[in-house]
This record gives sequence, structure tokens and C-alpha cells, in this order.
Amino acid sequence: KAGVTQTPRYLIKTRGQQVTLSCSPISGHRSVSWYQQTPGQGLQFLFEYFSETQRNKGNFPGRFSGRQFSNSRSEMNVSTLELGDSALYLCASSLRGVSTDTQYFGPGTRLTVL
Amino acid sequence: DAKTTQPTSMDCAEGRAANLPCNHSTISGNEYVYWYRQIHSQGPQYIIHGLKNNETNEMASLIITEDRKSSTLILPHATLRDTAVYYCIVRVGKEYGNKLVFGAGTILRVKS
Repeated sequence: KAGVTQTPRYLIKTRGQQVTLSCSPISGHRSVSWYQQTPGQGLQFLFEYFSETQRNKGNFPGRFSGRQFSNSRSEMNVSTLELGDSALYLCASSLRGVSTDTQYFGPGTRLTVL
Repeated sequence: DAKTTQPTSMDCAEGRAANLPCNHSTISGNEYVYWYRQIHSQGPQYIIHGLKNNETNEMASLIITEDRKSSTLILPHATLRDTAVYYCIVRVGKEYGNKLVFGAGTILRVKS
């Protein structure tokens, strides 16, 4: 079974721009969660989507948003990029959700903001 | 809001068992302990998880103390490819947002 895939793998943007990242979960998985990883803050939870609805949200500003499609694929959007948004963005999928099932992570998207 | 404490780094000789400790003294009764590892700049890889019983799979064993305040991940025969950051994580419930809370992790260096 194919794992979680994320596109693009690398991205360079400038301050003020916006960016959209994509995540395709493992086939059959309906929950997708997003995490941000930085050297200073480590891995931090952004949000979880299940059946096209945001179910949980971490402590991030409204510039960070996401959505999930009917095929469970998810996108994450960051608007008005700041230098501090440079990070590895990871998505993870699970069958029914992080509260009940094991999450499997994708390889991540490395975002650099100049 | 990390709920786990791990040593910053550990060394292990190739072929020997690697024992990675984790303290989770504030864990609640229904919170699971998960272990993931992350090899440089890749996505975290699931290793094993447990609630209160010891668990074993093809990758590792997880020993959880009876009071559930600590656990140990055991890699029985470490290889150079096991060099990674190992995260001991508590899966928190609804009151904390239904999420995995990652700590700083342990850098395991396997040496030949």
C-alpha cells in the first residue's frame, strides 16, 4: 500500500506571498493532520481534518488554514508568509482520527521563506 | 505542553541493544504512549505504541512500568541505520485537543 505523499517536496517563497501544500493520505484513511517542524519549536500540531471537516486545531494564527476534499486529500494554505514560517510541514494520515488510530507521516514539504 | 521527558542524546554500539527511556509521570489513564523516529529531515516513522501492557513488534519492544509513569523503547540489535531522533509521545485526549504532543526527542547515535 502506498504511503502518505506530499507535494511539493521543496518550496521557496518570499515574505508576503501565500503558499499551498498538498497531502494525499494512505488509501482508506479519512483523517489527515498537519504539523509544523522548526528547530526552535520542534514538531507542533496545526490541525486535523476528517470527512472534509476540521476536527481539531492547534495554536497557530489564522494565516494557517486547510481543507480536505471528498477523496480525503488535503491542502494546507499559509497566507502573508513571514520569515518564521520557514519549516518542514508534515502531514499524517490515519483511518479514523488521531484520537483512536496510529498516524503515519509523509516525507514533508520543506518551505523556505526569504 | 509536552508531557514526556527524554534524555537529549544517547550512544549505542552496533549490534547491541539500545534502551531509550522516557518519563511521562503526568500521563492519564486513557492516554497511549507512542514512539516514532525521525531520520534527518524525513517524516517521522511509527515504531510502536502501548497503553499499559508491554508490546513487541518486528522493529522494537516497548516496556511500560506498572504505574505507567515511564517506559523504555528497546531496539534489540541496533544498526547504523537506526541512528535517528526518537520521540516518545503521549496521545492526548479531547481535553487537550486530540493530538500527538511531541517532546524534544532523544538523538540516538549508533556507532560501529
